[in-house]
Amino acid sequence: KAGVTQTPRYLIKTRGQQVTLSCSPISGHRSVSWYQQTPGQGLQFLFEYFSETQRNKGNFPGRFSGRQFSNSRSEMNVSTLELGDSALYLCASTVDGRLNTEAFFGQGTRLTVV
Amino acid sequence: GIQVEQSPPDLILQEGANSTLRCNFSDSVNNLQWFHQNPWGQLINLFYIPSGTKQNGRLSATTVATERYSLLYISSSQTTDSGVYFCAADTDKLIFGTGTRLQVFP
Repeated sequence: KAGVTQTPRYLIKTRGQQVTLSCSPISGHRSVSWYQQTPGQGLQFLFEYFSETQRNKGNFPGRFSGRQFSNSRSEMNVSTLELGDSALYLCASTVDGRLNTEAFFGQGTRLTVV
Repeated sequence: GIQVEQSPPDLILQEGANSTLRCNFSDSVNNLQWFHQNPWGQLINLFYIPSGTKQNGRLSATTVATERYSLLYISSSQTTDSGVYFCAADTDKLIFGTGTRLQVFP
């Protein structure tokens, strides 16, 4: 079966712009989580969505937001981009994020802010 | 919050050697996962292991939940094993360690 699909794979944006990243989870998985990976901070949790609702949120500013659709696909949005937002953004899907929590990751979106 | 520490931070091996990577976590967790990050950035699942021992080919993992650590064993290493290995403690989200960068030379 298909794995987790993230689009686009690469993005270059200018400071002040906004960006939207997409994640399609494994079929049947209802929980989608987003992580940011930078050389300085490592892998950090952004937020989790389940049944179209944000269920958990990490310690990131309000410029980072997300949503989930009825087919479990998720998008994250970053507004007013800053240079420090340059990172690899990874999406993980799990069956339900609570009873069955084995996480499967997509290939990531590498965002560069110039 | 939970702290996850991995050691060693870097490991250089010759092909054929064996290695042990360690992951310590500071509090009880629901589960523990090991990942291998490939050169393109994708995290590849290795083990989902709350306790006990699992084996998959040349790789095996052991988690001792009561003592709050997990070990990843790589036997007869190959150049394709190179990359960064992460453990992640599963609470209501994944808390990642800082990784072990493994380089295997022919």
